[in-house]
Amino acid sequence: EDKVVQSPLSLVVHEGDTVTLNCSYEVTNFRSLLWYKQEKKAPTFLFMLTSSGIEKKSGRLSSILDKKELFSILNITATQTGDSAVYLCAVQYNNNDMRFGAGTRLTVKP
Amino acid sequence: GAVVSQHPSRVICKSGTSVKIECRSLDFQATTMFWYRQFPKQSLMLMATSNEGSKATYEQGVEKDKFLINHASLTLSTLTVTSAHPEDSSFYICSATPQTVGGEQYFGPGTRLTVT
Repeated sequence: EDKVVQSPLSLVVHEGDTVTLNCSYEVTNFRSLLWYKQEKKAPTFLFMLTSSGIEKKSGRLSSILDKKELFSILNITATQTGDSAVYLCAVQYNNNDMRFGAGTRLTVKP
Repeated sequence: GAVVSQHPSRVICKSGTSVKIECRSLDFQATTMFWYRQFPKQSLMLMATSNEGSKATYEQGVEKDKFLINHASLTLSTLTVTSAHPEDSSFYICSATPQTVGGEQYFGPGTRLTVT
C-alpha cells in the first residue's frame, strides 16, 4: 500500500534555530512531491519537487528530493514564531491525484 | 492509527447528475471534518468545515446548495455534488480531526470526480 510518512510528528524549537523536516514515501506512479504549510485554513503551497538533487529555495525555506532513497527534506533556517504551523508533505501521482502525509507540527518559541 | 478513507476514489458522472463522496475516519472519532478541492498549480481550496451533528460552515464563494455536506456521525461525512457540471471536475480531498480546535488534520486519499 502506498505510504507517505513524515517525521517528526511534532517539533518545538526557539527562534533562530534551524529545523529539518522529513518526508519519505513509497508510492507507485510517482510524479512529484509537494510541501505545504498549514496554519488555519487551507494548506498553502510551498514547493513542488520533481527531480532529484535540485534544491528549491524560497527565502529561509528550502527543500530537496531524493528519488533514489525516496525522501524529501524541508529546511527552515533562522526560524521565526510565524513559522509555527503544520507542514504537510504530499505525493502527486501521474494522474494528478495526491496522497498526504500526517504532517509535522512545528512550534517556534520566542 | 489516524486513517481517513474516501469513497469512491474515482467517479465519472454525466452533467446534471448528483454524486456523493464519503469521508470516513477509520480508527478515531472525528469531531470535525474538512472538505478541500484541488485547483491547478497544486493549490488547495477549503470548501467547508463540518462538525458532527451541526450544519457545515462554508467558505466564501462555495455554493452550499450545490455542495451538500452532511456530518451525521463521528466517523462519516459526505459531500454531495448536486447537478454536476464539467467545471466541477476536480480532485476532492477530505480531512478529519479528533479535536474541535487546533487538532491535527488527517487527510484522506482523495476522490477524482470527472463530469462529462
